[in-house]
Amino acid sequence: SAVISQKPSRDICQRGTSLTIQCQVDSQVTMMFWYRQQPGQSLTLIATANQGSEATYESGFVIDKFPISRPNLTFSTLTVSNMSPEDSSIYLCSAGRQGAGDTQYFGPGTRLTVL
Amino acid sequence: AQKVTQAQTEISVVEKEDVTLDCVYETRDTTYYLFWYKQPPSGELVFLIRRNSFDEQNEISGRYSWNFQKSTSSFNFTITASQVVDSAVYFCALSEDRRNAGNMLTFGGGTRLMVKP
Repeated sequence: SAVISQKPSRDICQRGTSLTIQCQVDSQVTMMFWYRQQPGQSLTLIATANQGSEATYESGFVIDKFPISRPNLTFSTLTVSNMSPEDSSIYLCSAGRQGAGDTQYFGPGTRLTVL
Repeated sequence: AQKVTQAQTEISVVEKEDVTLDCVYETRDTTYYLFWYKQPPSGELVFLIRRNSFDEQNEISGRYSWNFQKSTSSFNFTITASQVVDSAVYFCALSEDRRNAGNMLTFGGGTRLMVKP
């Protein structure tokens, strides 16, 4: 298993600003992912963070709005840009190996409220 | 496309009751993996179990048990003698291997379990 930490754990931000969320894994992993969980909803995959290259975004999510970095095998950041109240969600980072069916372990999440 | 359905959005039980959370999935893959996660009020997602499509043996872990039935595309989760600490949202998820894009987890809508003392 992997132990994953996220910073910040929560934040309240003003409309139009940006927030960068950090995700740190305690061991080297191949795959890192970012999910969004809107209030009372299930989890939706935003993108796969690729080490040393551009992230792979899912339908409905774009790099300009959610730029992602992954400079090494244990660290990734997600930025929520030009925020609006609709971006209020829990953002979760997960990590796992690339093999089919490998378990993804999740960080504690970042609760974002946009006023 | 893959799909996971958790028909029960909310369940309320009294402590010590048994409760079963239903999960039905759809996939065209012959090899796939199913997961259950628990999300307590604090928000983190806790991994509970992983099963592959070739292993239909039921599993028991303490008060938790899982019933995987390929014939009905179901992977149900039972908590025996429920406790207040079991109160959480439980998610069933299905894994799709997208080769170089890595695994994609498709989550069900979640079932909120409330265990009252």
